Amino acid sequence: GQQLNQSPQSMFIQEGEDVSMNCTSSSIFNTWLWYKQDPGEGPVLLIALYKAGELTSNGRLTAQFGITRKDSFLNISASIPSDVGIYFCAGQLRRPQGGSEKLVFGKGMKLTVNP
Amino acid sequence: NAGVTQTPKFQVLKTGQSMTLQCAQDMNHNSMYWYRQDPGMGLRLIYYSASEGTTDKGEVPNGYNVSRLNKREFSLRLESAAPSQTSVYFCASSERGGLTYNSPLHFGNGTRLTVT
Repeated sequence: GQQLNQSPQSMFIQEGEDVSMNCTSSSIFNTWLWYKQDPGEGPVLLIALYKAGELTSNGRLTAQFGITRKDSFLNISASIPSDVGIYFCAGQLRRPQGGSEKLVFGKGMKLTVNP
Repeated sequence: NAGVTQTPKFQVLKTGQSMTLQCAQDMNHNSMYWYRQDPGMGLRLIYYSASEGTTDKGEVPNGYNVSRLNKREFSLRLESAAPSQTSVYFCASSERGGLTYNSPLHFGNGTRLTVT
C-alpha cells in the first residue's frame, strides 16, 4: 500500500525554539493533513492543504503542500510546553472509480518541549 | 459536545476471547472509521463505513468484523482475540467520505486493548 515517510521520528527542544517536520511519499496525494495527538486522546486536525504549492498558517503553525504533490512540511514557531504531543501527517488518496476517500497516515513525530 | 464516544476505554482479554468495541457519534456524520494505533506504526485503517448500510475493508481487516448499526453507531468486533491485536483502537467520523477541511475526521479518545 501507499507509504508516508515522516521525519524526524522525535524531537527534544527548548521552549521558544522553532520546530520543522516533513512527510514524503512516492505516491501523489490530493490532500495533505496534519494532526496532533495529546497523550491519552485521539488525533485532532491542525491544518489541511488542498493545492500543490499551498502555504497555510494557523497561529504559530505553518504548513505547505509540496509542488510535486508528494510531500508536505509543518513548522511550529516559538514552541510552548502545550505543543508536546505526537504530530501526524496524512495524505488523502482518491479511490479509483469514485467511492470513499481514505487517509494514509505517517508514523508520527513525538515532540518534547523543555520549559 | 460529546462528539465521538468510545467504550470501553480499557480492556484486557485472554487469547481466544471475543469482544465488541462500541462507537457512537452525535454529529450526524455519514462516514465512520475504525483505526488501530501501534507504536512506530502510525494509524492504520481497519474498516470503514462510507454511509449507513455500507462497510468496507481498510488496510488491516483480518481478525475483525464491523457493524454499522445505524447512522450514529459503528461497532468493531474481535471474534477470537490474539496477542497481535493488542493496540489502541480509535473510532472516527466525518460528515461524508470526502475529507475536506470542512469535513475533517473527528476521533474518539480510544480504547486501549491488551490481549494476553
